[in-house]
Amino acid sequence: GENVEQHPSTLSVQEGDSAVIKCTYSDSASNYFPWYKQELGKGPQLIIDIRSNVGEKKDQRIAVTLNKTAKHFSLHITETQPEDSAVYFCATLGNQGGKLIFGQGTELSVKP
Amino acid sequence: EAGVAQSPRYKIIEKRQSVAFWCNPISGHATLYWYQQILGQGPKLLIQFQNNGVVDDSQLPKDRFSAERLKGVDSTLKIQPAKLEDSAVYLCASSLPAYEQYFGPGTRLTVT
Repeated sequence: GENVEQHPSTLSVQEGDSAVIKCTYSDSASNYFPWYKQELGKGPQLIIDIRSNVGEKKDQRIAVTLNKTAKHFSLHITETQPEDSAVYFCATLGNQGGKLIFGQGTELSVKP
Repeated sequence: EAGVAQSPRYKIIEKRQSVAFWCNPISGHATLYWYQQILGQGPKLLIQFQNNGVVDDSQLPKDRFSAERLKGVDSTLKIQPAKLEDSAVYLCASSLPAYEQYFGPGTRLTVT
């Protein structure tokens, strides 16, 4: 079945450093790859997404790269700040239309 | 614009009792989703509506869970009877047909 593997499960960085989270997926028909940030007690917040006709997308300190041949995509956060601390989820759009398949999540901790 | 609204935010019930959750999507969003998020995991789709019709309910435990979206706007998700393993956060999301799903704050259910 459809599956998304996300690594690492926890990540601790110093303020100002970069953070990278990686995901691999199994469904070759996937064509949409969003990233969500979830703070404690809140719902997931869409922070960036990429479609399969694009290899890289950047929005200020956040960037996402996609390698469709290898079936993996990554989130890059530069110049991390304490407010970046949260759980980050990658997801893919499954082959049944709107069904998002989520990774297991990465708990990012940015230490001041 | 206003985001996805959900209520209640928290609910504690005993096993075998029933519970209902309510969701109001972003205005104009025809597609509505209910996800279940167990602690430490990514959200998993329970049911997807397009207007008031069901698109995907393959992961909904239909012996105890039901959902409706009668007028193509608000939706309710019901569990009857609840089991201990139903303890989770229930997230509602909505979207236009162009993939981006926006989540509400969720309802945290504890079954004792």
